[in-house]
Amino acid sequence: DGGITQSPKYLFRKEGQNVTLSCEQNLNHDAMYWYRQDPGQGLRLIYYSQIVNDFQKGDIAEGYSVSREKKESFPLTVTSAQKNPTAFYLCASSTPMGGSNTGELFFGEGSRLTVL
Amino acid sequence: GDSVTQMEGPVTLSEEAFLTINCTYTATGYPSLFWYVQYPGEGLQLLLKATKADDKGSNKGFEATYRKETTSFHLEKGSVQVSDSAVYFCALRRRDDKIIFGKGTRLHILP
Repeated sequence: DGGITQSPKYLFRKEGQNVTLSCEQNLNHDAMYWYRQDPGQGLRLIYYSQIVNDFQKGDIAEGYSVSREKKESFPLTVTSAQKNPTAFYLCASSTPMGGSNTGELFFGEGSRLTVL
Repeated sequence: GDSVTQMEGPVTLSEEAFLTINCTYTATGYPSLFWYVQYPGEGLQLLLKATKADDKGSNKGFEATYRKETTSFHLEKGSVQVSDSAVYFCALRRRDDKIIFGKGTRLHILP
């Protein structure tokens, strides 16, 4: 089945450690996104990528890094520089706008990171 | 910078009431506009969209019209059901594919 797979679903980290969240899609979408969802804050954009080997900062990129070496994969690293990393992280991919494409986002099930 | 502002919730209505959830945006250029819904225990899914001024998106009895003059995309439904209880997110997509969301509005429908 086509979809987006995020792993791990739950992750615990000690302060000062980096952690990488995996996101893989087999929908053949060019665009991929990372969001952070906090209660009362909605979804805030961390990074997005329109194409392989290219990505742009979102609104809260500080303390995070990404790579896009393959079309299917868009891993997110939460570094020790992120001051408040405990959150629910959502990865998504999207069809382009135009023609028969809706431009909608397709989401993974999320990864919940807790810093101890 | 670009932003999406939604009315704060929670919004509580009785079944069969009329629903409006306000959404306004600030963006450069002419973005596409979306409403997503997150039912309890589920992920976000697209509810409806509009890609240009005066377009009306509709789905499951919900409607929203892209109003360029007021930079708004308010969500409406004529008669809500208990099953509409969820969190609703307004979002915009710029031409460079940046997609940003509002904070979400939680809707409770009482039987």
